[in-house]
Amino acid sequence: DAKTTQPNSMESNEEEPVHLPCNHSTISGTDYIHWYRQLPSQGPEYVIHGLTSNVNNRMASLAIAEDRKSSTLILHRATLRDAAVYYCILREVGTNAGKSTFGDGTTLTVKP
Amino acid sequence: DSGVTQTPKHLITATGQRVTLRCSPRSGDLSVYWYQQSLDQGLQFLIQYYNGEERAKGNILERFSAQQFPDLHSELNLSSLELGDSALYFCASNPGGAGGTDTQYFGPGTRLTVL
Repeated sequence: DAKTTQPNSMESNEEEPVHLPCNHSTISGTDYIHWYRQLPSQGPEYVIHGLTSNVNNRMASLAIAEDRKSSTLILHRATLRDAAVYYCILREVGTNAGKSTFGDGTTLTVKP
Repeated sequence: DSGVTQTPKHLITATGQRVTLRCSPRSGDLSVYWYQQSLDQGLQFLIQYYNGEERAKGNILERFSAQQFPDLHSELNLSSLELGDSALYFCASNPGGAGGTDTQYFGPGTRLTVL
């Protein structure tokens, strides 16, 4: 399974943008890049996903490198409620689509 | 609220025992996934079922088994429990299929403590 590498932790100030990086140098041409986050004492929740182009939704933006070997999750204005563990995962197409390797994720701390 | 329910919320048992964790997927979702989250190993994919059939398998121990019933709810059975099986067990669901775009919706988890 293709793996991802993320920094263990990052800090941000409230209401400032946050850029969370993810490296996935062994990504295959059909793997989708998904981001999830896990708030304390909760199950992971979906944030955003993309294949090649940059993506925006109400929660965040996803910037994907041209060679697709890395991506960045962008929270435009961090709030205290964004403090969570953020996971970058690769999802295959086909019968292995369900096998998601979550890795250790990045623990985001937001300071008031 | 993701729409995925898991019972029980907490479970305390002894080594050597057997337990069953239950998951009800979101209405209409055909796929159910099971994950184990322990302190030292992060979130580990165990197994996926799609419409009653096993679809993908991860790092699931032989002591663990799962099934998905005709009403699409799923059960994860853990037997001969060891101290190291203490963890949070999450269930997730989605409409299924084989697309890489499918979002997974996670339940609140079952916290298993083995004493």
